[in-house]
Amino acid sequence: EPEVTQTPSHQVTQMGQEVILRCVPISNHLYFYWYRQILGQKVEFLVSFYNNEISEKSEIFDDQFSVERPDGSNFTLKIRSTKLEDSAMYFCASQLTTSRADTQYFGPGTRLTVL
Amino acid sequence: AQKITQTQPGMFVQEKEAVTLDCTYDTSDPSYGLFWYKQPSSGEMIFLIYQGSYDQQNATEGRYSLNFQKARKSANLVISASQLGDSAMYFCAMSQQGGSEKLVFGKGTKLTVNP
Repeated sequence: EPEVTQTPSHQVTQMGQEVILRCVPISNHLYFYWYRQILGQKVEFLVSFYNNEISEKSEIFDDQFSVERPDGSNFTLKIRSTKLEDSAMYFCASQLTTSRADTQYFGPGTRLTVL
Repeated sequence: AQKITQTQPGMFVQEKEAVTLDCTYDTSDPSYGLFWYKQPSSGEMIFLIYQGSYDQQNATEGRYSLNFQKARKSANLVISASQLGDSAMYFCAMSQQGGSEKLVFGKGTKLTVNP
């Protein structure tokens, strides 16, 4: 069964460093998302991406964040200068269409720890 | 604005019994989707069940069913014949038609199944 994959599973970085989180969505899906979950809290939407551009972003997704689909398979989230409060689990999700009935499938997540 | 409320931070159930996890939602849009996801201790988000706002019947998927009461804006998850492997966090989420179909999540309910 096709699945969303994410690498790395765990990333430790120093405050102020740049990190790139990688995702490979399900191959025929067209809509891609990043969410984050601070430890013990609910999952929060960061950004959605379609047709090589951002379709919606949350207020969390400030200028320090960027997304890219550099080739036909990868979908990346870059944090330019990490802060302590960026420590969280980051989930990538993909969806075939934006039909209301279409499920978003989540990857296993990348746990980011900023020291 | 959309909002999902899960009022039960934790629930306990005996193995083989049924359990209901509560979810209420708030939206002004007549077209929306409701989802339940399971998050085991390993961290991944696993899709369980979907209910559309226009669906006439309650959704069922194996041991999972959704008690959808549209007038009360509730979408409770019922797990029948609980198993030890059902112990996990359970998140209710909502999407709306139009835009990017981002999911808005509740805070989750931690379910513990006792032997």
